[in-house]
Amino acid sequence: TQLLEQSPQFLSIQEGENLTVYCNSSSVFSSLQWYRQEPGEGPVLLVTVVTGGEVKKLKRLTFQFGDARKDSSLHITAAQPGDTGLYLCAGPPWGGNEKLTFGTGTRLTIIP
Amino acid sequence: DVKVTQSSRYLVKRTGEKVFLECVQDMDHENMFWYRQDPGLGLRLIYFSYDVKMKEKGDIPEGYSVSREKKERFSLILESASTNQTSMYLCASSRTGRGYTFGSGTRLTVV
Repeated sequence: TQLLEQSPQFLSIQEGENLTVYCNSSSVFSSLQWYRQEPGEGPVLLVTVVTGGEVKKLKRLTFQFGDARKDSSLHITAAQPGDTGLYLCAGPPWGGNEKLTFGTGTRLTIIP
Repeated sequence: DVKVTQSSRYLVKRTGEKVFLECVQDMDHENMFWYRQDPGLGLRLIYFSYDVKMKEKGDIPEGYSVSREKKERFSLILESASTNQTSMYLCASSRTGRGYTFGSGTRLTVV
């Protein structure tokens, strides 16, 4: 079973601060996806990173895929209350099918 | 807007009842999935389907079955509901090689 461990599990910071969320595995993934889930809703896809070392930016969010394709990070600059939610990383195993392995999740709260 | 629609947002069922959770997608996606989400356990895959009438077991299929008679519809069936099946159920669909689109979820309570 391929696992994706996320850290921290919980994070509560003030509006305007920066933060980084990590997603780590001992296994190689062909790509990694990041989702955000708000209370009472399903997860929503934010980004997919495909190439080892790839960096993608989505406004104040920066996503990076590790060179070895075993880890990823999400950095948020100047966090806003609208960033509050559960952040999930997910990926299909190397050479695998469409079935995603989901990370353990990071619950982020931004305090106004 | 592309959508995955789950038939109910909230359901309360009695122990032993047969429960049907319906999921419909309008994106012509070939892949569809059923997950349950529980605090501390994350998202766990119950069943998935790559094509009409095809299904494969996920990580926790016990007590569940599925049906995919049409490409756009994937149904999850709880044969005899039990209290340990109280959970948030999430349906998702995808085109091969792309990310998932999730429904809003069905919060099922079995009493």
